[in-house]
Formats: sequence, structure tokens, C-alpha cells
Amino acid sequence: GIQVEQSPPDLILQEGANSTLRCNFSDSVNNLQWFHQNPWGQLINLFYIPSGTKQNGRLSATTVATERYSLLYISSSQTTDSGVYFCAVGSTGFQKLVFGTGTRLLVSP
Amino acid sequence: DAGVIQSPRHEVTEMGQEVTLRCKPISGHNSLFWYRQTMMRGLELLIYFNNNVPIDDSGMPEDRFSAKMPNASFSTLKIQPSEPRDSAVYFCASSLGRRAYEQYFGPGTRLTVT
Repeated sequence: GIQVEQSPPDLILQEGANSTLRCNFSDSVNNLQWFHQNPWGQLINLFYIPSGTKQNGRLSATTVATERYSLLYISSSQTTDSGVYFCAVGSTGFQKLVFGTGTRLLVSP
Repeated sequence: DAGVIQSPRHEVTEMGQEVTLRCKPISGHNSLFWYRQTMMRGLELLIYFNNNVPIDDSGMPEDRFSAKMPNASFSTLKIQPSEPRDSAVYFCASSLGRRAYEQYFGPGTRLTVT
């Protein structure tokens, strides 16, 4: 099946810093989502982005499907950005999402 | 609009007992997914339904697990008998359509089997 790798596994930032999270996948996809799992365990949808670029406030994401990677950018990080960021992909013809192992982000004041 | 609703939010039970988890998808969504999250295996799909019909149950770990979707607004995941290794957070998600659409997750049920 499709493989999903996320990097870095852990990231510690000072409040106000910028960061880039990466997601590599091993096959063609027709679904790619970024989630934020907050400290209470909720999975919050950030982006649905099988291709192209999207922005939402301080967050933006880019997926280059032909090169099989996606990037999540966090600018001017805040303590509330702390948590685990997951990339999940669905390969062509299948609905199931395969999750990466996540990037654990800690933003300190 | 209400999101995906799951109940209970927390469940503690003894080994050997039957456990039933419940999910109400977002109104109008016709695909429903059950995922499990553990430290060892991360987030993994157990089963998904489209138009109330199970499409892929290859992730269901063993016969002790069963899932049903009797109508478009309700699904259950049952574990009978439960074992300590079933302890995990179980998420339900829903999406619009059979093909690739954005999935929305419920708050999860944290199951502890002692």
C-alpha cells in the first residue's frame, strides 16, 4: 500500500517563529489532507489539498502531486499551534486515508 | 452545523465485556469511516461504508470487531469480547460522496479495557 512519511518528527519553536512541515508519499493520490490534533485529541481539518496551494490565515499548504510531496507552512507561530500535525493521503480509486506518523510541534512562549 | 457526533466520549470496561461505540455522521454525508488511534500503530482505518453498505473492512482486526450502519444517520462499532489490547481512541469520520472527498472527524471515543 501507499506509504506516507512526515518530517521532522519533532519540532520546538519559539513563539513568532516560522516552520515548514513536509509530507512525502509513495504513490499517486487523489486525496490529501492536513490535520492538527490538539492537546485534547481532536483532529481538526486544516487543508484538503490533493494538488496546488491554499492559504488560511497564518497557515498555508502546497502539494506537488507529480513529485509526491506536500508542505505545510506555519508562520508567526503561537502557543495554540502546539500539537501533532498529520498528513493523510488517499490513493487513486480508494476512499481510505493513510496517515503519516505526524510531526509533534511545541511552541513555547 | 453539527459535526460528526460520537458517544460515549470515554468508556472504561473490564476484559470480556461487550463494548458498543456510536457515531452520527454529518447530515447529507454518505460515506462513513471508523479509525483507531494507538501509540504503536498510529491512526488506521478499520472499516468504511458508502450509502450504508460496507465497502472495505480489511482493517478490522479480528472477528471480535463488528460494525453496522442501519441507516444514513447512525453507525455502531462493537467489540465482543473486549481485550486490554483494544484500548485506543476510536474515531468516526464522514465525507460526501464515494470518491475522494474531504473527511471530517468526530471527537473520538477513548476506550480503556482493564
